[in-house]
Amino acid sequence: AQSVTQLDSQVPVFEEAPVELRCNYSSSVSVYLFWYVQYPNQGLQLLLKYLSGSTLVKGINGFEAEFNKSQTSFHLRKPSVHISDTAEYFCAARETSYDKVIFGPGTSLSVIP
Amino acid sequence: DVKVTQSSRYLVKRTGEKVFLECVQDMDHENMFWYRQDPGLGLRLIYFSYDVKMKEKGDIPEGYSVSREKKERFSLILESASTNQTSMYLCASSSNLQAFFGQGTRLTVV
Repeated sequence: AQSVTQLDSQVPVFEEAPVELRCNYSSSVSVYLFWYVQYPNQGLQLLLKYLSGSTLVKGINGFEAEFNKSQTSFHLRKPSVHISDTAEYFCAARETSYDKVIFGPGTSLSVIP
Repeated sequence: DVKVTQSSRYLVKRTGEKVFLECVQDMDHENMFWYRQDPGLGLRLIYFSYDVKMKEKGDIPEGYSVSREKKERFSLILESASTNQTSMYLCASSSNLQAFFGQGTRLTVV
């Protein structure tokens, strides 16, 4: 994977509203795609991953993401957010044949009560 | 549970000092990584290792070196710390296409 872009650096959203965090990647070869979450003062935790097969991937905490090969996107969605979802979210990609993961710059999700 | 442990959560060092950041994983993973995390830049790969005594440069290796003498331990070395190396450092190990991260070390160089 050559680059990963997250267009939104900050996303504020009201509690119980839906949210979409956008991710686009650039690569000349096949990739695996990931979303990680980082809660304040913690390391990164895997939310979900796309390896192959169904383009809709479900993860932990009610999150899901859809892989779109033609648009080289892997957007993360949740239908109803909670205060506890406030965190930094990172999209990541790696080539299928090489274990080197490229991370996007991150999106800070703030859930407003 | 997989555990990746970084020896320090917070460090303050002086310019020019040699700094060691230690990382230990308990799951016998072959691949280990060091990243630095800066606001707006995400995680950038410094070095990674796919076996004992094997290492490969990442995207920003300048000013850093690494050591992997045992499978479970991967050390990041700042040969002569500089203020532009003030950052959050994250260690990770990976297996089965999933990376596991440590809590991070916030290093301040003054």
